[in-house]
Amino acid sequence: GQNIDQPTEMTATEGAIVQINCTYQTSGFNGLFWYQQHAGEAPTFLSYNVLDGLEEKGRFSSFLSRSKGYSYLLLKELQMKDSASYLCAVSGNTGGFKTIFGAGTRLFVKA
Amino acid sequence: ETGVTQTPRHLVMGMTNKKSLKCEQHLGHNAMYWYKQSAKKPLELMFVYNFKEQTENNSVPSRFSPECPNSSHLFLHLHTLQPEDSALYLCASSQDRAASSYEQYFGPGTRLTVT
Repeated sequence: GQNIDQPTEMTATEGAIVQINCTYQTSGFNGLFWYQQHAGEAPTFLSYNVLDGLEEKGRFSSFLSRSKGYSYLLLKELQMKDSASYLCAVSGNTGGFKTIFGAGTRLFVKA
Repeated sequence: ETGVTQTPRHLVMGMTNKKSLKCEQHLGHNAMYWYKQSAKKPLELMFVYNFKEQTENNSVPSRFSPECPNSSHLFLHLHTLQPEDSALYLCASSQDRAASSYEQYFGPGTRLTVT
């Protein structure tokens, strides 16, 4: 089957850097997604990793290690508006391609 | 604005009511999804449609009935729901379902309360 683990909550300070980890187990790995979800709003796509390494996109970067079943989302120069839930989602082939979501990490950015 | 709209945004219904949730995407995508999101739980995939054909039903109770008349519209028909069905119901779309490597675009959701 598929399983995803990520911390429930994290707190960081405005202007700082925060790393949100995600570990996963799946068959037929086909990529890992990160989504951002502000309270009361829809999730929005942040990044997609299918090969090992770091993908950088502005203040946000995402890293993947397929051999370790591990990813992280790195947020730099934190802003108050970055307070949100960050969802790790894994696409795998378990009797058909399927993307499953982790429970999300709630990030609180304080002044 | 993600290009995926959902109506209504909020719905309160009794356990004996019948209601429908509507989703429309303006992105030219071929795959559409229904998810249930409960507090502090992962997004639960309910149904998937690819090119108007239902490709997945994740053991969802029959009181939830999906309908996909075309690639742009998706409905979720609700009847005789239970209080534990109260949740945020999210619709999403993606380019297609073939390899699940496409990101999904989510609608704003319908906040459902069953009394």
